[in-house]
Amino acid sequence: KAGVTQTPRYLIKTRGQQVTLSCSPISGHRSVSWYQQTPGQGLQFLFEYFSETQRNKGNFPGRFSGRQFSNSRSEMNVSTLELGDSALYLCASSLERTGYTDTQYFGPGTRLTVL
Amino acid sequence: TQLLEQSPQFLSIQEGENLTVYCNSSSVFSSLQWYRQEPGEGPVLLVTVVTGGEVKKLKRLTFQFGDARKDSSLHITAAQPGDTGLYLCAGETPQGGSEKLVFGKGTKLTVNP
Repeated sequence: KAGVTQTPRYLIKTRGQQVTLSCSPISGHRSVSWYQQTPGQGLQFLFEYFSETQRNKGNFPGRFSGRQFSNSRSEMNVSTLELGDSALYLCASSLERTGYTDTQYFGPGTRLTVL
Repeated sequence: TQLLEQSPQFLSIQEGENLTVYCNSSSVFSSLQWYRQEPGEGPVLLVTVVTGGEVKKLKRLTFQFGDARKDSSLHITAAQPGDTGLYLCAGETPQGGSEKLVFGKGTKLTVNP
């Protein structure tokens, strides 16, 4: 079974631009969560999508948005990029994310650098 | 705001030594998970502990959940270079019909041969 895939793996943008990251979950998984990982703040939850609906949201500004398609693939978008948005963006998928037995599987991440 | 404090932040030891990593919070979690992350990869789940006082063993790794379900520890016996990586704890709480994970900042472990 293929794992979680994220594209692109690396991305370099300049301040003020916008970026779209893509995540393909494991086949059959309907929940997709996004996380931002930085050396200073660690792994922080951005949002979770289930059946094309945002079910949970972390404490990030409105510049961070996402969506999920009917095939469970998900995208996240960051508009008006700031230097502080440089981070590893991780996507994780699970069946339904309704209990500790429903394991989250992480993708390798997209490394975003904002210049 | 739920926070998880991990200590130590960095740990560099020699092969064969034992070590313990701690994960503490003032909040109660429904479960606590431990992950290991290697450079260029996403975190990989090692174990989930659910019951207060629970102890789980995974080969040379021993995980313990505190009685009050607020803290946890990871003990590695006879560490090997292959144990090198970033160890993350994450507390889980139900929210919005699903489970929300709060991560600690991690312990970066280096095991030297």
